[in-house]
Amino acid sequence: QQPVQSPQAVILREGEDAVINCSSSKALYSVHWYRQKHGEAPVFLMILLKGGEQKGHDKISASFNEKKQQSSLYLTASQLSYSGTYFCGTEMTGGGSNYKLTFGKGTLLTVNP
Amino acid sequence: DTEVTQTPKHLVMGMTNKKSLKCEQHMGHRAMYWYKQKAKKPPELMFVYSYEKLSINESVPSRFSPECPNSSLLNLHLHALQPEDSALYLCASSQERGQGYTGELFFGEGSRLTVL
Repeated sequence: QQPVQSPQAVILREGEDAVINCSSSKALYSVHWYRQKHGEAPVFLMILLKGGEQKGHDKISASFNEKKQQSSLYLTASQLSYSGTYFCGTEMTGGGSNYKLTFGKGTLLTVNP
Repeated sequence: DTEVTQTPKHLVMGMTNKKSLKCEQHMGHRAMYWYKQKAKKPPELMFVYSYEKLSINESVPSRFSPECPNSSLLNLHLHALQPEDSALYLCASSQERGQGYTGELFFGEGSRLTVL
C-alpha cells in the first residue's frame, strides 16, 4: 500500500524551514527517507524503526509516530543543496514483507537563493 | 567502494529485440533489487534477490527476467518489451537483515530504456 506524502511540492528561500509528511493506513515496520535530485539516483537520508523514534542528519531530522503510522521529515535552515524530490518509503509489519519498500509519490522541494 | 554500477546507461530497443541490463556492486551486500521509475513518479519495486535467490517478484510480466549469477552481479533480461516499458531501471543493493542491516539502499544511476 503506497504511503501518502504531503505536500506535493514546496518552494523555499534559503534558510527557511520545511516539513514533509508521510502517512500510511497500515501498520508499519519502518519508514525510510530518500532524496533524489534530477537525473540522479535516490540517496538514503535515514530510516526510522521504532515508534516515536527521531533521527537527525545535519539539519535534516525525522520522527515516526507509530500510533498514527505517520512520519515527518524536518528540514531546517534549508540550503540550495536540499533541492530535490523527497520520497518516503515504508515497510509493512509482518513476515514476508521485508525488503518490500513502497515509496510515496514524492515531494518536490525547491530552495531558491 | 560504495558504488552500484549499472550498464548500459541508455538503451534503445525495438519490441522484438532481446537485451540485458547489468548491475554490479562490491560492497558485500547480499540483497539486490530492481526498481522501475517513470518520469516524475516514485521508484516501483520489481524484484528482490536475497543471497542470490529470488525472494520477491512484484507480479512483473515475464518479458522481464531477472538473474543473479553471483553475489556481486544482477541482470535484467528484456524480451518483447512494449513502449510502455520505457522507463529508468534502477538497481539497488543493501545489507541483509543478518548482516548488520541499516536500512540503506544503495542505488545505481540507472539504465534509461526506450522501447520503440
